[in-house]
Amino acid sequence: KNEVEQSPQNLTAQEGEFITINCSYSVGISALHWLQQHPGGGIVSLFMLSSGKKKHGRLIATINIQEKHSSLHITASHPRDSAVYICAVSTGNQFYFGTGTSLTVIP
Amino acid sequence: GAVVSQHPSRVICKSGTSVKIECRSLDFQATTMFWYRQFPKKSLMLMATSNEGSKATYEQGVEKDKFLINHASLTLSTLTVTSAHPEDSSFYICSAIGTGGVSMYEKLFFGSGTQLSVL
Repeated sequence: KNEVEQSPQNLTAQEGEFITINCSYSVGISALHWLQQHPGGGIVSLFMLSSGKKKHGRLIATINIQEKHSSLHITASHPRDSAVYICAVSTGNQFYFGTGTSLTVIP
Repeated sequence: GAVVSQHPSRVICKSGTSVKIECRSLDFQATTMFWYRQFPKKSLMLMATSNEGSKATYEQGVEKDKFLINHASLTLSTLTVTSAHPEDSSFYICSAIGTGGVSMYEKLFFGSGTQLSVL
């Protein structure tokens, strides 16, 4: 069993739709990270959070420590949001990665 | 913002040769760097954790004699794929943990990756 489970694996949405990607983990963590990987490989760290909620532009990340669950929301999705979104958790210097969610936003 | 530079971005080599990939933190000190491998349409697979001045910690199933990691300074870690074979062809990515203040703590900064093709 993976320490980090993500769902869905693949997601196709129409431009403008509200998108949610879920992440559940089974280990004690010090922080949870949401990463974005565009075609071509570049990876950007979107959020690092250990409690509550963070917002950056159209992106919102929430975490529930008791339930060991996090969600990444994208409001008013746009084709440029098409990417793979990866959830990762850190326990000090150890990281565990989800398998990623491939998002395609259609104009 | 913090930048991690990875070089080369693409390398093609003959089977049996060794390839070195560099990962540099350009504007911060990285006491810990990570090396990952990624197969097409798959998520990142952590290969090893590299701490400055000490031996890398390898994940289960990763051959430490094949994938040599050196983290000799606070800004540079290298991954050397020794005696490369076609099955080593993959996308390799490094990342570093930001240090120095709350705003950097535990933030992950990624290199742009290296596409290795072994003929």
